[in-house]
Order: sequence, then structure tokens, then C-alpha cells
Amino acid sequence: RKEVEQDPGPFNVPEGATVAFNCTYSNSASQSFFWYRQDCRKEPKLLMSVYSSGNEDGRFTAQLNRASQYISLLIRDSKLSDSATYLCVVKGNYGQNFVFGPGTRLSVLP
Amino acid sequence: EADIYQTPRYLVIGTGKKITLECSQTMGHDKMYWYQQDPGMELHLIHYSYGVNSTEKGDLSSESTVSRIRTEHFPLTLESARPSHTSQYLCASSEDWGSGRTDTQYFGPGTRLTVL
Repeated sequence: RKEVEQDPGPFNVPEGATVAFNCTYSNSASQSFFWYRQDCRKEPKLLMSVYSSGNEDGRFTAQLNRASQYISLLIRDSKLSDSATYLCVVKGNYGQNFVFGPGTRLSVLP
Repeated sequence: EADIYQTPRYLVIGTGKKITLECSQTMGHDKMYWYQQDPGMELHLIHYSYGVNSTEKGDLSSESTVSRIRTEHFPLTLESARPSHTSQYLCASSEDWGSGRTDTQYFGPGTRLTVL
């Protein structure tokens, strides 16, 4: 079983739709949680960190459930420019590496 | 924008050549990483470093080697390139406070390597 698992894609949604991505992690000692976005043939870029209380940045909302070891990302009013692969990333404590999920590809269609 | 740079951005080279992929960052991060990623596939960690004179192998076995003589510089070398080395190589760096929130990882733009 992979340490970080994500919804298999791709997600093909119309513009304006709300889309939710799910991620689960197996290491209960994980401390830090992130969503990254990766455009085709580009490097991953930080979309948002995920805090225990949940956090929102414009159309994007991230939630963390430590008890269930589950992270989610909600995108409201999706735009064509949201089309990308979304990577769930988990990190343990000091000295441990970042663990990337396989990613979920999103295509927003006109 | 992240201050992490990679050169060259694209490299096409023949089999058997020695190559070095450069990576440098000006953020003063102690921890640096090299990932390998094929198109449409997952990122795989191949090397990382905790700081100067520290290098470790990652989760994916790689024939490449790395060095960390200066904090800001983390080059990757292939002694004899082969077609199986064709891939994208991404360098990254991060803080490592262990506090969680500040441990953000920043990526360079990548080097796309093609070995003929």
C-alpha cells in the first residue's frame, strides 16, 4: 500500500463546477500536509498548506482529518486555468522527507 | 517565486557521455532534493541532502551521484548516460524546522534530459 493515496483521475468537469479531491495517508506520525499543483511538463508549485482547523484561499478550501488520516481539497467555481494535476504531499517531523501522492489530474472543460 | 535554479533546462546527449545537471538555490535552505519524473507519472525521490557534505539515496535507485560542497549548490552527475536515463529531473529545497508549517518545499523548473 502506498504511503499517500489519491483519487485516481482524470476528473473532467465543466467550467463553474465544484470539484473535490481526496487523499489518505498511512503514517500517523505525519506532521505537515500540503496540496501542490503541477501543470503539464512544469514543476510542482505549492497551492496551499493544510492546517488542522481547515483553511481557505479564495475558491480553494483544504481540510485535514487527523483521526481518519484524510486530507481534502475543494475547488469551487472551477476555471479553465485550474486544469492541472493536484498532488497531495505529507511530511513527518524533523529530518523526514516529503512524500508525494501520485496526483489527480483535473481537466476543466469550456 | 522560489529562488531555485536549474541548468540546463533541456539536454539532448549521446549514450556514454558524462553529464552534470546543476541546481542552485539562494534561500539558504539546508535541505535539498533531486526527483525524477517521467511524463504523466509520479515523482520519485532519487537523492537528498541535509546540508553541506551530506548526501543520501532516495526511494528510487539511481545510477546518478550527487555532491553538496556548498549550501546553495547540489549538482547531479551521470558518469555514462544511457537512453534509460531519459526523464525530467527536478531539484527542490526546503527548510526543515520540524514544526510543520514552515517546511515548504520549493522546486526548480527542471531539466528535461534525452539520451539518444
